[in-house]
Amino acid sequence: QKEVEQNSGPLSVPEGAIASLNCTYSDRGSQSFFWYRQYSGKSPELIMSIYSNGDKEDGRFTAQLNKASQYVSLLIRDSQPSDSATYLCAVFTGFQKLVFGTGTRLLVSP
Amino acid sequence: EAGVTQSPTHLIKTRGQQATLRCSPISGHTSVYWYQQALGLGLQFLLWYDEGEERNRGNFPPRFSGRQFPNYSSELNVNALELEDSALYLCASRVDSPRSPLHFGNGTRLTVT
Repeated sequence: QKEVEQNSGPLSVPEGAIASLNCTYSDRGSQSFFWYRQYSGKSPELIMSIYSNGDKEDGRFTAQLNKASQYVSLLIRDSQPSDSATYLCAVFTGFQKLVFGTGTRLLVSP
Repeated sequence: EAGVTQSPTHLIKTRGQQATLRCSPISGHTSVYWYQQALGLGLQFLLWYDEGEERNRGNFPPRFSGRQFPNYSSELNVNALELEDSALYLCASRVDSPRSPLHFGNGTRLTVT
């Protein structure tokens, strides 16, 4: 079992729709969870951090964490073509390791 | 606040040569991470340095090495370059705390011919 798993996609959504990106992790002792966006050929940029169960909203982005089920998700409301990118989930595990998933490619069509 | 800076932006080497990539972390960040990202692939963890010490190493051969200096800057050395070493090399820094995210530099694009 991989430490952090993401569906590679691509996830295709029409402009204006809600995009839902999911990530599962294996270490129940994981403490911190991060979402990054990476455009092709560019470096990852931090979108959201979440540490406690529940939802955290920032503009069009909402991160959701469920430690009991060991998943973290990212919702993007009113998706725009400029949101088309690869989204990386990163988890700081109980073993003091920062582990990245392989990323989900999102395509938003006009 | 200045971000993570990497140099050079692009580097072209021939097979068998050595490459040196440099990284300056955000001020106050003591941890530096190096990742390799081949075209179309995910991030592959290379090295983690904190307070001048190597804390963890990814599944890469010994010809990939590095160090962290007293000012927390870091360099990555790749010896005996192979064609498959062509990739984007990303440096990132963070405060060594569980709630601290990684902040990435813009990367060095290494091309081996």
